[in-house]
Amino acid sequence: QKEVEQNSGPLSVPEGAIASLNCTYSDRGSQSFFWYRQYSGKSPELIMSIYSNGDKEDGRFTAQLNKASQYVSLLIRDSQPSDSATYLCAVNRGTGNQFYFGTGTSLTVIP
Amino acid sequence: EAEVAQSPRYKITEKSQAVAFWCDPISGHATLYWYRQILGQGPELLVQFQDESVVDDSQLPKDRFSAERLKGVDSTLKIQPAELGDSAMYLCASSLAAGQVQYFGAGTRLSVL
Repeated sequence: QKEVEQNSGPLSVPEGAIASLNCTYSDRGSQSFFWYRQYSGKSPELIMSIYSNGDKEDGRFTAQLNKASQYVSLLIRDSQPSDSATYLCAVNRGTGNQFYFGTGTSLTVIP
Repeated sequence: EAEVAQSPRYKITEKSQAVAFWCDPISGHATLYWYRQILGQGPELLVQFQDESVVDDSQLPKDRFSAERLKGVDSTLKIQPAELGDSAMYLCASSLAAGQVQYFGAGTRLSVL
């Protein structure tokens, strides 16, 4: 079982729609959760971090965490073509502060 | 705005040659990470430093890869000899402390011919 699992996609949504990206993790003791965006050929850039159950909003982005279900998601409202990228979920296990990345979900926003 | 600096951006080498990558983390960041990312996959941790000490190198192929961070600031990752399967993006990241948000450099794209 992988530490962090994401649907690789590709996920396609029309411009202006809501994009929903999902991530599950295996270690129930994980403490910190991060979403990174990675454009083709570029390095990952941080979008959001979330540490406690519930929702965290930042502009058009909302991260949702459910530790009981070991599930973290990212919602992108009013999707724009510039949001087209691969979205990486990262989890800090806590024990040893080990970070694990998922394989990423490829998102395409269609104008 | 503070950034993680990496060089070179691109490196083409032949099989069996030696290559080296350099990383300068954000000032004040104690933790430094080297990742390898193969196309279509997520970053895979190669080595993690806390100041000048290695805290995790369990996924580092030690027969050919080495990493150092002698003064606890910048770091070098070396591959000797390079193999075809080493072609990938090599990413450096840093954080204030272990477990905190990581910030990535632009990466080094390695092609081994």
